[in-house]
Amino acid sequence: NAGVMQNPRHLVRRRGQEARLRCSPMKGHSHVYWYRQLPEEGLKFMVYLQKENIIDESGMPKERFSAEFPKEGPSILRIQQVVRGDSAAYFCASSPDETQYFGPGTRLLVL
Amino acid sequence: AQTVTQSQPEMSVQEAETVTLSCTYDTSESDYYLFWYKQPPSRQMILVIRQEAYKQQNATENRFSVNFQKAAKSFSLKISDSQLGDAAMYFCAYSGNFGNEKLTFGTGTRLTIIP
Repeated sequence: NAGVMQNPRHLVRRRGQEARLRCSPMKGHSHVYWYRQLPEEGLKFMVYLQKENIIDESGMPKERFSAEFPKEGPSILRIQQVVRGDSAAYFCASSPDETQYFGPGTRLLVL
Repeated sequence: AQTVTQSQPEMSVQEAETVTLSCTYDTSESDYYLFWYKQPPSRQMILVIRQEAYKQQNATENRFSVNFQKAAKSFSLKISDSQLGDAAMYFCAYSGNFGNEKLTFGTGTRLTIIP
């Protein structure tokens, strides 16, 4: 059973560009979470999705950030008009129940 | 809002010895879940152990065990027979009991293993 997949693993963007981060949950998991980890900090919750629904987006910045989990395909975290402060590791997790299993993360660097 | 506190930014232990990492949390709920995750230099988040609050018995996973004190809202992780591969950041995390809730993480403890 393959684990949570994230791609790309590393992403470099210039200020003002768009970043798209992808997450494929473990087989059989229909719940997806996105977290952000700034350097030398813990993980901070961003958004929780089920197929075609956003369940909890209380941790998402109000502007430039959006997430989706379509009926078919991976979950996408989209950051528009990136700024240097968006540089971080973005982790996706999936769960069948209360336990979340994490992907390897995407390291976003904004130049 | 729930909060998780890890008061030890760094810890070190001699190889083969035992070390305990501390975690306290604040919640008004009576049922919830607690977790320890490990983040090695690869930065992958790896589940170490989980505890259901309604269970009085402390969880164990091989060399890893917890001391769950519900009244004190304390959830420490004990690593026995420490190995070089245990070197990592360790994060304590809390989740509510309604199922599929977000995790609230502490700030982490960096564990160094001394050969």
